Amino acid sequence: GQSLEQPSEVTAVEGAIVQINCTYQTSGFYGLSWYQQHDGGAPTFLSYNALDGLEETGRFSSFLSRSDSYGYLLLQELQMKDSASYFCAVRPTGFQKLVFGTGTRLLVSP
Amino acid sequence: EAGVAQSPRYKIIEKRQSVAFWCNPISGHATLYWYQQILGQGPKLLIQFQNNGVVDDSQLPKDRFSAERLKGVDSTLKIQPAKLEDSAVYLCASSLKVNTGELFFGEGSRLTVL
Repeated sequence: GQSLEQPSEVTAVEGAIVQINCTYQTSGFYGLSWYQQHDGGAPTFLSYNALDGLEETGRFSSFLSRSDSYGYLLLQELQMKDSASYFCAVRPTGFQKLVFGTGTRLLVSP
Repeated sequence: EAGVAQSPRYKIIEKRQSVAFWCNPISGHATLYWYQQILGQGPKLLIQFQNNGVVDDSQLPKDRFSAERLKGVDSTLKIQPAKLEDSAVYLCASSLKVNTGELFFGEGSRLTVL
């Protein structure tokens, strides 16, 4: 099976940098995805790491280390609109579905 | 491009009643997923369709939940009879390319069971 653990809540101020960690236990997977979800809204795709290393998309970067069973999402130049829940997810080997982590609620204050 | 459409957005029912949710995926997306998201948790897959065939329903409580995608386009998820613990948001998602880790989600149907 798969389990993905995230911190339940992270707080930061506008303009700061924040890192949201995802540690996982899985028998095998194709890649690690990150999603953002505002309250009452749909989860929206942010990034995907198929290989180890850093992927950068604007203010957001995502990192994967398979040897450490660990990944993170890095948000730079935080804005108030970044206040949301963030989920990591993996696609297990042999499957098309995504298995989601426990989620991290990010609160950005002025 | 139109996104994933779901209805109704909100539904309140009493336990033991039935409810149905509808989803229309993005045009051309062969894969459709129904996820259940309980407040404060990550989405959990209930069922996955590839065209009109079921790929994975291992976590669907089949004694009360059913889903269909008859023509390989839109889909319906039904709960009968509902229990208190079914209170959640039911998210529909679709995908074109599964190897990018990207699913396109609808805004969900929020169910409250009293």
